[in-house]
Amino acid sequence: QVQVVQSGAEVKKPGASVKVSCKASGYTFSGYYIHWVRQAPGQGLEWMGWINPNSGGTNYAQRFQGRVTMTRDTSINTAYMELTRLRSDDTAVYYCARDRTIGWFAPWGQGTLVTVSS
Amino acid sequence: NFMLTQAHSVSESPGKTVTISCTRSGGSIASNYVQWYQQRPGSFPTTVIYENNQRPSGVPDRFSGSIDSSSNSASLTISGLKTEDEADYYCQSFDSSSHVFGGGTRLTVL
Repeated sequence: QVQVVQSGAEVKKPGASVKVSCKASGYTFSGYYIHWVRQAPGQGLEWMGWINPNSGGTNYAQRFQGRVTMTRDTSINTAYMELTRLRSDDTAVYYCARDRTIGWFAPWGQGTLVTVSS
Repeated sequence: NFMLTQAHSVSESPGKTVTISCTRSGGSIASNYVQWYQQRPGSFPTTVIYENNQRPSGVPDRFSGSIDSSSNSASLTISGLKTEDEADYYCQSFDSSSHVFGGGTRLTVL
């Protein structure tokens, strides 16, 4: 079945970087964009950007420009999201999701909790 | 860019019908598809409506979606409410440069 599976929880100190992975299976990885969405504790969903696994092209939400980098490794059907210069308000669950059709996110990964604390 | 605005919370009794609204500011609601996601506590979001009014397989027909250009809004209607429908519901749409989620509506079924 089509699924995306994410890497495990991370604890980082302020100023550090984190890299979360998202491994796809059950479909042609290069054929569908991957989006990244985050959710701070008790808050709503926030779109961070997408990567085109075929070309490697990316589109980032303005508020993350300069701090986020999305990459992929097509040999292992895996997308990555790296966030740098972490702050305490970056503490959140980070999700990847496949773009099923234009703008429809399905399926979602199980989420990766990133905790930023000194 | 644009915004999607949802009521913070709504409550209704089992068996009743509830409608959750999502108003777009900055651009037409009809210009890009709207999706609705359900998120239960401690879980990832799942789709209940895509492309304004389409239900994925496995989603009961108690869930329906629509858009209204006159109010520039989208609506999710859940009929025959069940306690299992209690969750957060998010609308989502996009434009040429970004994707946006509404702030979410917490549905309480009591």
